[in-house]
Amino acid sequence: AQTVTQSQPEMSVQEAETVTLSCTYDTSESDYYLFWYKQPPSRQMILVIRQEAYKQQNATENRFSVNFQKAAKSFSLKISDSQLGDAAMYFCAYRSWASGTYKYIFGTGTRLKVLA
Amino acid sequence: EAQVTQNPRYLITVTGKKLTVTCSQNMNHEYMSWYRQDPGLGLRQIYYSMNVEVTDKGDVPEGYKVSRKEKRNFPLILESPSPNQTSLYFCASSLLGDQGEQYFGPGTRLTVT
Repeated sequence: AQTVTQSQPEMSVQEAETVTLSCTYDTSESDYYLFWYKQPPSRQMILVIRQEAYKQQNATENRFSVNFQKAAKSFSLKISDSQLGDAAMYFCAYRSWASGTYKYIFGTGTRLKVLA
Repeated sequence: EAQVTQNPRYLITVTGKKLTVTCSQNMNHEYMSWYRQDPGLGLRQIYYSMNVEVTDKGDVPEGYKVSRKEKRNFPLILESPSPNQTSLYFCASSLLGDQGEQYFGPGTRLTVT
């Protein structure tokens, strides 16, 4: 069975600085998707970034980028130029790519605090 | 506006009293799913559905039922709620296929006393 581990329950970053959130996963599959979701105090789940395992290039969305290390089964999220609005819970998630398998596995989350 | 709606948003009930949390999406998505979120445990998938009349168990299906009679609706049923089902519940939907970005509802806070 697949697992997703976020080992940092809480992180802090100074406004305008860069922070990296860690995520490791375990799977025997070769093709899959990885996601980072943001959950602000409003509780709404917002997709931040997505990575397909078959793509070697790391995904980037504006100030958000990932470091995807497939062999190491690592999928970290880097937030550059941190803003107060980035303060939230961040969840790493895994989804199998195999046809007919649409289970999602989420990590336990990392709470990010942004200090002014 | 494309959205996933859930009702009710907040619910306090007593042990054993059957309840239903509704979920509806207006994006013609094939895939719908229910999650529960608990502190320190993240989100855990309860059930999911890839099409009408097709449902499958997630990681924590015990004590829950679902049905998918229409493409847009995916209600979550608790036949006999217990206090350990006190949680924050999310419904989500997506297209099938590679992109598969999930759109989440606003959440339902359930308390079972």
